[in-house]
Amino acid sequence: KQEVTQIPAALSVPEGENLVLNCSFTDSAIYNLQWFRQDPGKGLTSLLLIQSSQREQTSGRLNASLDKSSGRSTLYIAASQPGDSATYLCAVSFSGTYKYIFGTGTRLKVLA
Amino acid sequence: NAGVTQTPKFQVLKTGQSMTLQCAQDMNHNSMYWYRQDPGMGLRLIYYSASEGTTDKGEVPNGYNVSRLNKREFSLRLESAAPSQTSVYFCASSTAVLDIQYFGAGTRLSVL
Repeated sequence: KQEVTQIPAALSVPEGENLVLNCSFTDSAIYNLQWFRQDPGKGLTSLLLIQSSQREQTSGRLNASLDKSSGRSTLYIAASQPGDSATYLCAVSFSGTYKYIFGTGTRLKVLA
Repeated sequence: NAGVTQTPKFQVLKTGQSMTLQCAQDMNHNSMYWYRQDPGMGLRLIYYSASEGTTDKGEVPNGYNVSRLNKREFSLRLESAAPSQTSVYFCASSTAVLDIQYFGAGTRLSVL
């Protein structure tokens, strides 16, 4: 069964810390992967999309990497700020499918 | 620029009642999706429409029907609501099926 797992479920860090969020998936044959942010009571916002042929994508303080052979992606957040507090979700589209499988997310709290 | 608009934002139904959740996007996207989000289970795809005139089942289609009314609008209908359909429902759209997805703010549905 194709699954996406995010550990830990919750994380608290002090402001200014660099941090890494993890996403693992069960099948290395993927089409692409997206990282989303979700604020409480709101919809999802796409942060970064990595295609299977790419190793990483960057946007501002965010960097997402992809290692298909190990079934892992990481989202690196540099110099974290209280405004980064949100739930971060990883979604993977596996080859041959036309849908994303979502992880259950990591709830991040950045303490001022 | 409204993006993806969902109505209503909140709804309470009694078991057996029917209702339609509305979704409209103004980004000229070809693909549209309906997801449900339940605690501890992540987002699960109910139905999607790859392009105007087509609809396909996702992971959890039972108890739902959809209509792609035109390129802008994609509605989700619950014919006979059940307590198991209590959830937060999200509509999303993208240029093509596995491109960056843009989400609405969600509809919070309770079935008593």
